[in-house]
Amino acid sequence: QVQLQESGPGLAKPSETLSLTCTVSGGFIRSGDYYWNWIRQPPGKGLEWIGYIDHIGATRYNPSLKSRVLMSVDTSKNQFSLNLTSVTAADTAVYYCARGDWFDPWGQGTLVTVSS
Amino acid sequence: DIQMTQSPSTLSASVGDRVTISCRASAHIHNWLAWYQQKPGKAPELLIRKASTLQSGVSSRFSGSGYGTEFTLTISSLQSDDFATYYCHQYEAYPRTFGQGTKVEFK
Repeated sequence: QVQLQESGPGLAKPSETLSLTCTVSGGFIRSGDYYWNWIRQPPGKGLEWIGYIDHIGATRYNPSLKSRVLMSVDTSKNQFSLNLTSVTAADTAVYYCARGDWFDPWGQGTLVTVSS
Repeated sequence: DIQMTQSPSTLSASVGDRVTISCRASAHIHNWLAWYQQKPGKAPELLIRKASTLQSGVSSRFSGSGYGTEFTLTISSLQSDDFATYYCHQYEAYPRTFGQGTKVEFK
């Protein structure tokens, strides 16, 4: 079955850019059947949808983060990526990637801490 | 943005109890609603989509109902594995939004 796995640095400095990659296995992004999402969860808090990208690179972002978010897709590697610029401590969270309109499956998540 | 409001925020229950969690949307979302279960340190897992469609592999003790703005997740007989936090999520409109979560804990 399809599995997703996030990867990237676990620490980012304030004002710098957070960069994460989600690798898809057991299925192909290029099939075009799904949106590919990023979702985050600050420690002890609820879930926030960041945005999605599709197989041709079309994106939709949460307006609350839109000015700082950039997503990209590499179908040759079966990966999609998230860049979040100008990070602050408020961006400390577990970042998840997930497939589809209803989110299934999810990656296991990766904690990114923003600290100097 | 469509606001999703869950109630209660915390629910104390015992094994065998029937448990009901409510989710209210601030706008009409038809039946474009999903429910997730999240255990500590784990990613959320999809239980129900389209308000009432049970995800493959999920126990039939979970059920969902509702349409429009009012939705319910029911656990017919709570098992020890069900103590977790539950989230509703609307996918009718952008940005996608979640309820704040309902934690089901041991009474």
